[in-house]
Amino acid sequence: AQSVTQLDSQVPVFEEAPVELRCNYSSSVSVYLFWYVQYPNQGLQLLLKYLSGSTLVKGINGFEAEFNKSQTSFHLRKPSVHISDTAEYFCAVTFTSGNTPLVFGKGTRLSVIA
Amino acid sequence: DSGVTQTPKHLITATGQRVTLRCSPRSGDLSVYWYQQSLDQGLQFLIQYYNGEERAKGNILERFSAQQFPDLHSELNLSSLELGDSALYFCASSVGPSYGYTFGSGTRLTVV
Repeated sequence: AQSVTQLDSQVPVFEEAPVELRCNYSSSVSVYLFWYVQYPNQGLQLLLKYLSGSTLVKGINGFEAEFNKSQTSFHLRKPSVHISDTAEYFCAVTFTSGNTPLVFGKGTRLSVIA
Repeated sequence: DSGVTQTPKHLITATGQRVTLRCSPRSGDLSVYWYQQSLDQGLQFLIQYYNGEERAKGNILERFSAQQFPDLHSELNLSSLELGDSALYFCASSVGPSYGYTFGSGTRLTVV
């Protein structure tokens, strides 16, 4: 079975600074990888996804993530954060074959400080 | 509006009671997933339906059950409620695994 580890439960960062949210996954077969964002009192919204091909994927709101197969990582980055980026971020994984449900990490709380 | 509709948004009920949470998936999505979100457990997968049939089961308690109807809406039934069942319950829908999921805004259940 696949699993996801988000290495930081909370990440405080100053406005306009860069940020990296770390995600490692465990799977012996090919996977699809996703990052979701959850704003307060809302559902989860898809930020970006990696299916295959280029290891650098770009998403909404200026976020990007890099798939590293050898390190089984899928870290999320943004070069300059805004106050509005304050939210909970979730990494998720599923197998490429079959129809297995997404498995989510426990989330990283990003707090952007003015 | 994500296209996935969950009702009610909030629910407060007493221990031992039974509640039903409802989800209407995004138009065209055949798969419906239910997740429970709590502070200590994070997002836990409960159950998946595809076009009316149960497709996968996660950590769903025997007190919980679900179904998907011919019009593709789904209901999650929670019975003999305990304080520990207090959580956010999310429904999500999808056309397939590579598309990711579209989530509803959730139902916040409080058991008192």
